[in-house]
Amino acid sequence: AQTVTQSQPEMSVQEAETVTLSCTYDTSESDYYLFWYKQPPSRQMILVIRQEAYKQQNATENRFSVNFQKAAKSFSLKISDSQLGDAAMYFCAFVLTGTASKLTFGTGTRLQVTL
Amino acid sequence: GAVVSQHPSWVICKSGTSVKIECRSLDFQATTMFWYRQFPKQSLMLMATSNEGSKATYEQGVEKDKFLINHASLTLSTLTVTSAHPEDSSFYICSARVRSTNYGYTFGSGTRLTVV
Repeated sequence: AQTVTQSQPEMSVQEAETVTLSCTYDTSESDYYLFWYKQPPSRQMILVIRQEAYKQQNATENRFSVNFQKAAKSFSLKISDSQLGDAAMYFCAFVLTGTASKLTFGTGTRLQVTL
Repeated sequence: GAVVSQHPSWVICKSGTSVKIECRSLDFQATTMFWYRQFPKQSLMLMATSNEGSKATYEQGVEKDKFLINHASLTLSTLTVTSAHPEDSSFYICSARVRSTNYGYTFGSGTRLTVV
């Protein structure tokens, strides 16, 4: 079974600064997707960024980027120029391709953004 | 695009009654719907996977008779919590895989269920 581990229950960052959220996963498969989802106080799940395992290039979306280390099974999220609206729970998630497509979520990291 | 509308957003019911939660895909066909439960400050726990026209597949430890899932059409999936008890109080979220994208998922806005 696949597992996703987020070792940082809470993180804090000052506005305009950069923060990195950690995620590791465990799988014996080679074809999969990785995601970072944001869950603000409204509790609506919002896709932040996704990465296909076969792509070596790290995905980026504006202020959000990932550091995907396939051999180390690591998938960290970097948020640059943090904004107050970035405060939320962040979940790392994993799905194997060609399967029932069930997402496996990590335990989440609560990000606080301070002035 | 690819919106899942979930209703109700919150519901309070008496112990012993049943509650139905609906998830509708508004602009795409959701052949597969996932139902999650989320306790406060915790992650999403997958309860079951439903495929249109067939029986749902439940995760280990989830009571099939308590959490009835119906996916009768490509645009509607429902979760019925039967004979609800206070311990069923939780946040329930549905999600669909959007097949027009490569492993893109869209989530409903969630339902907060309180059983009194």
